[in-house]
Amino acid sequence: KAGVTQTPRYLIKTRGQQVTLSCSPISGHRSVSWYQQTPGQGLQFLFEYFSETQRNKGNFPGRFSGRQFSNSRSEMNVSTLELGDSALYLCASSLGWGSVGDTQYFGPGTRLTVL
Amino acid sequence: EDQVTQSPEALRLQEGESSSLNCSYTVSGLRGLFWYRQDPGKGPEFLFTLYSAGEEKEKERLKATLTKKESFLHITAPKPEDSATYLCAVQAGYKAAGNKLTFGGGTRVLVKP
Repeated sequence: KAGVTQTPRYLIKTRGQQVTLSCSPISGHRSVSWYQQTPGQGLQFLFEYFSETQRNKGNFPGRFSGRQFSNSRSEMNVSTLELGDSALYLCASSLGWGSVGDTQYFGPGTRLTVL
Repeated sequence: EDQVTQSPEALRLQEGESSSLNCSYTVSGLRGLFWYRQDPGKGPEFLFTLYSAGEEKEKERLKATLTKKESFLHITAPKPEDSATYLCAVQAGYKAAGNKLTFGGGTRVLVKP
């Protein structure tokens, strides 16, 4: 079974631009979560989607948004990029939502550099 | 607010030198405690899930244990390929938490031959 895939793997943008990252979950998985990983803050939860609905959200500004499609694929968007948005963005998928035993499996991440 | 603290931040071991990593947590009703391994430039790789105090799980040279406030990851007779960052995360038990994971800062393990 193929794992979680993320595209692109690397991105370089300049301040003020916007960016869209894509995530394809493991086949059959219906929940997708997004995390930001930086050396200073570690891994932080951005948001989670299940059945095309955002189910919960972390403490990030409104510039960070996402969506999920009917095939469970997900995208996240960051508008008006700031230098501090440089990070590894990780997508994780799981079978369902909020059930005991539901494990999150991570993709390889998208490395975003903001200049 | 859910919190996870891992110690030490970094660990240097000689090949064959066993050691333990600590993960202390506070969470609103633990649904699960997760251990992941992360290699540089890659996404976290799932290792174990523990659900209740007293539970233990093993995989090759790794053994994870859980108490009501801590989890330990024991590395027995490590090899250089065990070098990685080990991440601990908790999942809260209330429904609205969904699958959200709260992570600790990780322990970077270097095993020298």
